[in-house]
Amino acid sequence: GDSVTQMEGPVTLSEEACLTINCTYTATGYPSLFWYVQYPGEGLQLLLKATKADDKGSNKGFEATYRKETTSFHLEKGSVQVSDSAVYFCALFTYTGGFKTIFGAGTRLFVKA
Amino acid sequence: DSGVTQTPKHLITATGQRVTLRCSPRSGDLSVYWYQQSLDQGLQFLIQYYNGEERAKGNILERFSAQQFPDLHSELNLSSLELGDSALYFCASSVANAPGQGFSGANVLTFGAGSRLTVL
Repeated sequence: GDSVTQMEGPVTLSEEACLTINCTYTATGYPSLFWYVQYPGEGLQLLLKATKADDKGSNKGFEATYRKETTSFHLEKGSVQVSDSAVYFCALFTYTGGFKTIFGAGTRLFVKA
Repeated sequence: DSGVTQTPKHLITATGQRVTLRCSPRSGDLSVYWYQQSLDQGLQFLIQYYNGEERAKGNILERFSAQQFPDLHSELNLSSLELGDSALYFCASSVANAPGQGFSGANVLTFGAGSRLTVL
């Protein structure tokens, strides 16, 4: 079945370090891919998305490229800030076999000053 | 404020009891989704409604039920509560659920702030 696998956390980085959170997916058809972020005490919110192969989603300095050949959608940021500390969820949306949004397990990021 | 309203924010109850969680979707959104987030199991999809009709079911226990009303708000009912039901329950909404109904190919979910349920 359809699934999303993302790297386990927590990930701890110093401010201004580079970030990569890996995400791979399994899906029939051509899903849309998302990264959602959950700040402490809040609900999830959309960070970025990509709807087709080779699309690059970007927002707030974060980027992810839809790689169909490797079924991946890795999240990257060149220089993290303390305010980026949160849980990051990779997700896919597919309408093959029924509309559904499937989330990965989430990766907690801690950024130290 | 995301536009999705969930009540109550916090709820403490005892095992065996029944609770109802309420969700008002963002204005204009027809689909409502319920998710359970616990410490060790991440974000689990429970159930989805579109314009009053059940559209998809995930890992929802038989002790749980939900509905979406004509004004599009939704309620999640949890009964015979167990300690393991303690979790954050999120509601999310989206515009559409099918091609030709505002579907753009990327079904973005807007989440509420969640209802934290503690079962003692």
